[in-house]
Amino acid sequence: GQQLNQSPQSMFIQEGEDVSMNCTSSSIFNTWLWYKQDPGEGPVLLIALYKAGELTSNGRLTAQFGITRKDSFLNISASIPSDVGIYFCAGQGAGGTSYGKLTFGQGTILTVHP
Amino acid sequence: NAGVTQTPKFRVLKTGQSMTLLCAQDMNHEYMYWYRQDPGMGLRLIHYSVGEGTTAKGEVPDGYNVSRLKKQNFLLGLESAAPSQTSVYFCASSYSTSVGFYEQYFGPGTRLTVT
Repeated sequence: GQQLNQSPQSMFIQEGEDVSMNCTSSSIFNTWLWYKQDPGEGPVLLIALYKAGELTSNGRLTAQFGITRKDSFLNISASIPSDVGIYFCAGQGAGGTSYGKLTFGQGTILTVHP
Repeated sequence: NAGVTQTPKFRVLKTGQSMTLLCAQDMNHEYMYWYRQDPGMGLRLIHYSVGEGTTAKGEVPDGYNVSRLKKQNFLLGLESAAPSQTSVYFCASSYSTSVGFYEQYFGPGTRLTVT
């Protein structure tokens, strides 16, 4: 099946630092998504990207949909302790027969030291 | 609105036992999904449903069965549990927008251990 490679696997940073993580795929996706998962909970959508080259922000988060449609990155600026969690990228195929099915990356575990 | 709820939250099974995980959503969503999450592997799709009475296989369907008898409920069954099915199971539901995007809403998960 399709594979998404997400890196880095984990990050340990100081509060206030910026964070960057990325995702690459062997296949093209029509939509790229970034989720955050807090301990003991399900993933929550942070940002959705619909067009190749699109750059979208949500507060301190910025994400981009790669031109080739095979990659995406997420930046978090000025990290705070509540940013701790697991961040997942996910790709979604074309509408029609994809029925919204998601392919997930392996996740990036973020730890923020106060 | 409760959103997506899952029952139970935790369960321990012995090898060979059976069980059913229940997912319920109150958002009137057409599409529902079951994922499993294992360390270092992200979430992988087990089965999904595009409407009441319909189900389809996802990426890792072996050893699982599902049913969608009512629009709001999606059941995941393990007929004969194996240690390899130890995992955290997430249910999600979604709707389609006019631009063909499906935003998935996830439940809190069920942690299953098979000994």
